[in-house]
Amino acid sequence: KQEVTQIPAALSVPEGENLVLNCSFTDSAIYNLQWFRQDPGKGLTSLLLIQSSQREQTSGRLNASLDKSSGRSTLYIAASQPGDSATYLCAVRPIRDDKIIFGKGTRLHILP
Amino acid sequence: DAGVIQSPRHEVTEMGQEVTLRCKPISGHNSLFWYRQTMMRGLELLIYFNNNVPIDDSGMPEDRFSAKMPNASFSTLKIQPSEPRDSAVYFCASSLKWGGPTDTQYFGPGTRLTVL
Repeated sequence: KQEVTQIPAALSVPEGENLVLNCSFTDSAIYNLQWFRQDPGKGLTSLLLIQSSQREQTSGRLNASLDKSSGRSTLYIAASQPGDSATYLCAVRPIRDDKIIFGKGTRLHILP
Repeated sequence: DAGVIQSPRHEVTEMGQEVTLRCKPISGHNSLFWYRQTMMRGLELLIYFNNNVPIDDSGMPEDRFSAKMPNASFSTLKIQPSEPRDSAVYFCASSLKWGGPTDTQYFGPGTRLTVL
């Protein structure tokens, strides 16, 4: 059974710093991996999607990497800003399954 | 487009009452998903529809939960009777199509349900 873990559960970082959020999954047989952002009282927004054949994806200050063999992904945020404060969720889609399996997220707080 | 619309945004009810949550997916989207989010269990898929037909309801916790999608622009999730352990945030999401390697889901703002 696929499990997705995100550590730490919460993180506080001064504004301007670069930071890395971590995600691990137990079964490397995945179709793709996504990083979502969730703001308080709102739904999830997809940030980046990495297909199983890809190693990384970039969007602006965000870079997500995927190491399928080791069951790990990282989300790198450059030059963090207070507006980056949110919960970030990692999700994998197993092969031959229509479901997405979500981690519980990392709650990020950028200190002004 | 207004995005995925859910109503109500907040619902407080007493144990034993019937609760109906509503969702309007993004126009033109063919797949619709219902999720439940709790601190303990995180985000879990309850059921999803493709072209208004339920495809996988294995996540529905028990017979007290039911979901319908009578047409392409409307879906309901009903809990009858409700119990305190049903308290959670319920999300609806839709996707233009579901199955390809780059298909993604668009989430609504959620309904926060509290059962007293």
